[in-house]
Amino acid sequence: GAVVSQHPSRVICKSGTSVKIECRSLDFQATTMFWYRQFPKKSLMLMATSNEGSKATYEQGVEKDKFLINHASLTLSTLTVTSAHPEDSSFYICSARPTGAAQYFGPGTRLTVT
Amino acid sequence: RKEVEQDPGPFNVPEGATVAFNCTYSNSASQSFFWYRQDCRKEPKLLMSVYSSGNEDGRFTAQLNRASQYISLLIRDSKLSDSATYLCVVELNAGKSTFGDGTTLTVKP
Repeated sequence: GAVVSQHPSRVICKSGTSVKIECRSLDFQATTMFWYRQFPKKSLMLMATSNEGSKATYEQGVEKDKFLINHASLTLSTLTVTSAHPEDSSFYICSARPTGAAQYFGPGTRLTVT
Repeated sequence: RKEVEQDPGPFNVPEGATVAFNCTYSNSASQSFFWYRQDCRKEPKLLMSVYSSGNEDGRFTAQLNRASQYISLLIRDSKLSDSATYLCVVELNAGKSTFGDGTTLTVKP
């Protein structure tokens, strides 16, 4: 199947700092990527849709100024959690979709804010 | 009512058992359907797409009933390695996926 990578896989940061997470499609081009977060024992919740060359589309209740998304190329989208707080601690997962296919997920980034 | 509902389980079955998971969805305009499996602290991985005609992949069979807005996954001859959480995913269009909360399966020796 298609390969999506994410970096870093794990990050611990202090409150008030910003954290950038990268999502890359390795063997296909992705005009659209998706960012999810997942709390323990809960399912994935879509945060935003990242669109190459244009603004991201955020889901209701997701602060766009807090979760900055940049999709600068057809293989890279970044999510920056700004001024992180402990409640932002979560598992963040990106996905991308080869044309006409199902979504393929990156391995996820586990963020812990102390 | 949730858009996608699954029985959370957990399902605890012995090796070799047959187990079935169900999923219902609320939006009749939904177009695409998938089953993913997610291992603990890992990302979801595509198990299979689900079609109205039903589809089978080895020990796994998926069915879709559009009239009842119902999707199923059947696992035959369960293996220890099948232990995971199974996520039902429904897509309204190519940009919008809704995930069920998942059904946890534990296969025991």
